[in-house]
Amino acid sequence: RKEVEQDPGPFNVPEGATVAFNCTYSNSASQSFFWYRQDCRKEPKLLMSVYSSGNEDGRFTAQLNRASQYISLLIRDSKLSDSATYLCVVNRAGNMLTFGGGTRLMVKP
Amino acid sequence: DTEVTQTPKHLVMGMTNKKSLKCEQHMGHRAMYWYKQKAKKPPELMFVYSYEKLSINESVPSRFSPECPNSSLLNLHLHALQPEDSALYLCASSQAWDTDTQYFGPGTRLTVL
Repeated sequence: RKEVEQDPGPFNVPEGATVAFNCTYSNSASQSFFWYRQDCRKEPKLLMSVYSSGNEDGRFTAQLNRASQYISLLIRDSKLSDSATYLCVVNRAGNMLTFGGGTRLMVKP
Repeated sequence: DTEVTQTPKHLVMGMTNKKSLKCEQHMGHRAMYWYKQKAKKPPELMFVYSYEKLSINESVPSRFSPECPNSSLLNLHLHALQPEDSALYLCASSQAWDTDTQYFGPGTRLTVL
C-alpha cells in the first residue's frame, strides 16, 4: 500500500464548477499535511497547509480527518488557471515529505 | 521572498561526464533538500541537509554526491550516471528541518545519454 494515495484523475470540469479531491495516508504518526500544486514541467508550489479544524483560502478549502487518515481539497468556482496536478503531501518525522501521486485537474471553458 | 534558484535549467550529459547541479536560497533557511522527479511521478526525496550537515540520505547511489558549502548553497555532484537517472532534480529549503513548509526551486531537467 502506498503511503499517500490519490485518485490520479483526470478530473475534467467546466469553468465555475466545484470539484473535490481526496487523499488517504497510511502513517498514523504523520505530523503535518499540505496540498501542493504542480503545473506541467514546473516545480511544486505550496497551495495550502491542512489543519484538523479545516482551513479556507479564497476558493480553496482543505480538511483533515486524523481518525480516518483522510485529507480533502475543495475548489469552488473553478478557473481555467486552476488546471494543474494537485499533490497531497504528508510530513513524516523530521520534515521528510511524502508525496501522493497527484490528481490532475483540467478546467475547460 | 520565497525564492529558491537552481542552475542550470537544463543539462545533457554523457555517462562518463562529471557535472554539478547548484541550488541557492537567501531566505535564511537552515534545511535544504534534493528531490528527484521522473515524468508523471511525484517527487522523491534524495538528501536532507540541516545546518549544513547531511542528516538524511535516502539510499541514493554514490554516483550522486551532495555538498553544502554554506547555509545558502547546495550542490549535487554527478558522475557516471545512467540513462535512467534522467529526471527533473528539484531543490527545496525550509526554515528548519522539523515540520516546516518547504519551498521548491524550478528544478534542473537532466538528460543522460
